[in-house]
Amino acid sequence: EPEVTQTPSHQVTQMGQEVILRCVPISNHLYFYWYRQILGQKVEFLVSFYNNEISEKSEIFDDQFSVERPDGSNFTLKIRSTKLEDSAMYFCASSPGPYNEQFFGPGTRLTVL
Amino acid sequence: GQNIDQPTEMTATEGAIVQINCTYQTSGFNGLFWYQQHAGEAPTFLSYNVLDGLEEKGRFSSFLSRSKGYSYLLLKELQMKDSASYLCAVRDSTTDSWGKLQFGAGTQVVVTP
Repeated sequence: EPEVTQTPSHQVTQMGQEVILRCVPISNHLYFYWYRQILGQKVEFLVSFYNNEISEKSEIFDDQFSVERPDGSNFTLKIRSTKLEDSAMYFCASSPGPYNEQFFGPGTRLTVL
Repeated sequence: GQNIDQPTEMTATEGAIVQINCTYQTSGFNGLFWYQQHAGEAPTFLSYNVLDGLEEKGRFSSFLSRSKGYSYLLLKELQMKDSASYLCAVRDSTTDSWGKLQFGAGTQVVVTP
């Protein structure tokens, strides 16, 4: 069964460093999302992406964040200058259409020291 | 915005039935999803309701009443592996929010022998 994959599974970085989190959505899906979950808290929407552009972003998704689909398979989330409070699990999700269920990847645990 | 409420924790015995309630207040509504999340893992899709009524999928059923802003997830014949957090998520219906899911904090279900 096709699934969303994410790399790395765990990323440790120093405050102020840039990180890139990678995702490979399910191949025939057209809609992509990033969510994050701080330990012990709820899953929060960050950004949705369709047709090579951002469709919507939350207040969390400030100028330090960016997303890109550099080729036909990858979907990346970049944090330019990480802060301690960016430590969280970051989930990528994809769906075939805007009104279908979203399939989540296994997540990348980001730890900012 | 959305306000999504669900109980923090529920305990039930193996083989029993548990009902997890979710209430929401929203300016727009375009579907309610239930996800299961085991500790440290990604949310996995369980069910989706957009119209009023009951959707049944094996041991899991989900109900929606849009006029009451209410849904429940029913887990029957509980198994130990059902111990997990169950997340209620609402999709907004505004033009620019076709895909964004707003999650509740999750209900931790503990299944005891």
